[in-house]
Amino acid sequence: GAGVSQSPSNKVTEKGKDVELRCDPISGHTALYWYRQSLGQGLEFLIYFQGNSAPDKSGLPSDRFSAERTGGSVSTLTIQRTQQEDSAVYLCASSRTGKDEKLFFGSGTQLSVL
Amino acid sequence: RKEVEQDPGPFNVPEGATVAFNCTYSNSASQSFFWYRQDCRKEPKLLMSVYSSGNEDGRFTAQLNRASQYISLLIRDSKLSDSATYLCVVNMGTALIFGKGTTLSVSS
Repeated sequence: GAGVSQSPSNKVTEKGKDVELRCDPISGHTALYWYRQSLGQGLEFLIYFQGNSAPDKSGLPSDRFSAERTGGSVSTLTIQRTQQEDSAVYLCASSRTGKDEKLFFGSGTQLSVL
Repeated sequence: RKEVEQDPGPFNVPEGATVAFNCTYSNSASQSFFWYRQDCRKEPKLLMSVYSSGNEDGRFTAQLNRASQYISLLIRDSKLSDSATYLCVVNMGTALIFGKGTTLSVSS
């Protein structure tokens, strides 16, 4: 597809379980971001990948959160031992070269932790 | 001080009105600025970049004041379709940081 693809679109899990969220950026885009948005709130920066550079993990809220980007393309955000406060929409975005470029967002993954 | 701050609103205006949003940012070294629009339950989409000299795109005008560390968005002749949340975005040197957004509701 031409756009940023995220899966699953919805995920319901029980407190304490681990979840993996996937992002397929636009082909050729070197920059990839993860944000999360709680209901009625703004976008909270989580992590930023740029090419082969070390990712900027400064936004990850706790060590239960981790992300990787394989082969400079697909990214996976992993949340271990999920808590109810992790419930949010997790948005992935990519851009052609970096943070001065237009971001293209996926439709997000709605995570609900029961 | 929060990194990127916006008045959350909501701004309720009639069609045809002119409305302005402001956004302040904390990092004086920030180099790039944007306005994104987010419709309810949708992903954000770029509305316009903000340049030092100010820029205009149809009914929308964006301005940057580096000395005071704020950017603004002016919408003229508001349309019903302008109803959305407007997000201020600033490059903080490490990543693009979003403000919490200002909600605009245009009524007939």
